[in-house]
Amino acid sequence: QVQLVQSGAEVKKPGASVKVSCKASGYTFTAFYIHWVLQAPGQGLEWMGRINPNSGSRNYAQRFQGRVTMTRDTSISTAYLELSGLRSDDTVVYYCARGAGTTGSDLDYWGQGTLITVSS
Amino acid sequence: DIQMTQSPSSLSAFVRDKIIITCRASQSISRSLNWFQQKPGKVPKLLIYAASSLQSGVPARFSGSGSGTDFTLIISSLQPEDFATYYCQQSYNIPFTFGPGTTVDIK
Repeated sequence: QVQLVQSGAEVKKPGASVKVSCKASGYTFTAFYIHWVLQAPGQGLEWMGRINPNSGSRNYAQRFQGRVTMTRDTSISTAYLELSGLRSDDTVVYYCARGAGTTGSDLDYWGQGTLITVSS
Repeated sequence: DIQMTQSPSSLSAFVRDKIIITCRASQSISRSLNWFQQKPGKVPKLLIYAASSLQSGVPARFSGSGSGTDFTLIISSLQPEDFATYYCQQSYNIPFTFGPGTTVDIK
């Protein structure tokens, strides 16, 4: 069965970087986009960007440009989200999701979420 | 960026009620519209993709319609497990923006 398993919660200091992993199983990793979505406590969903695991090409939302890097390691079917220059408002849950459908943008399977807490 | 709005922001309903949630895009997005359900503390779940296609395993009481800028999600007979927050998301242009959500709770 399709599964996306994310790395565990972390606490980071302001200004630090964090790297969240998303390990895929149960399907061909290179055949589907991986999207990253964030959710602040008690708030709605925000799309951050996506990576094509086959080609490595990426698209980022403008507001994260320069601070976010999405990568993948096809040998272990894992996608990564790295966010630098952490601020207190980066205290959110980060989700990875598989992008299905003809455009690779129907988010049909989601990881369990990774809470990143930014605190001094 | 394409802005998504939803109405209402919240609603209270009885079990077996029919509810309608509306989603509007700031520009035409053809039929590139997904609906998600999220329960407290849980992961979002895809209900509807491409405006009206029911995701596998989703009960038939959920339906979606619309194209262009105006879309609706209908739950034909609300069940206890349907009390949740519902989000629309456009997948027409990057960034794939979400609506602010509609919370459905028990009356």
